[in-house]
Amino acid sequence: GQQLNQSPQSMFIQEGEDVSMNCTSSSIFNTWLWYKQDPGEGPVLLIALYKAGELTSNGRLTAQFGITRKDSFLNISASIPSDVGIYFCAGHFGNEKLTFGTGTRLTIIP
Amino acid sequence: DSGVTQTPKHLITATGQRVTLRCSPRSGDLSVYWYQQSLDQGLQFLIQYYNGEERAKGNILERFSAQQFPDLHSELNLSSLELGDSALYFCASSVVPSGANVLTFGAGSRLTVL
Repeated sequence: GQQLNQSPQSMFIQEGEDVSMNCTSSSIFNTWLWYKQDPGEGPVLLIALYKAGELTSNGRLTAQFGITRKDSFLNISASIPSDVGIYFCAGHFGNEKLTFGTGTRLTIIP
Repeated sequence: DSGVTQTPKHLITATGQRVTLRCSPRSGDLSVYWYQQSLDQGLQFLIQYYNGEERAKGNILERFSAQQFPDLHSELNLSSLELGDSALYFCASSVVPSGANVLTFGAGSRLTVL
């Protein structure tokens, strides 16, 4: 089946720093989604990407659908304490089920 | 509030017991998905239903079963519980069963098996 490699697994940054994480797939995707999970809560959709090369922003968050259709990245600018959590990428091709990445755990050092 | 309702939020039980987790999808969503998240792990897909019928199966143990009822709510039944079944169980829903669908997740049910 499809595999999603998400990196880095964890990040420790200081407030105000920019963050970058990415996902790569073993096969092409039609859709890339980025979710954030706060501690003890369910994942919440941040950004959805539907076209190769698409660059979409949501406030301080920016995500891109790679032109090869096998990767996507998420950037967070000027991080704040509430950015702490686990970020998951997810993608699918055609009618196959959504595949989730293993997550990137973001910790902000005071 | 995502619109996906999961109950109970927390559940503590003993090994060998059986529990039922309930999920009400977001209004208008016909498809329900169940995921398991063990401590510090990713989201493991268990099973999907669409309009009452099983649509896809993931890494779901034989001790686990699920169903979706005519009113579209779903239940996940976990039996002969083991310590390793302790996890967060998430339900998600979507309008369509596949394709360019976006999953909306509930807040999860935290199961602790002692």
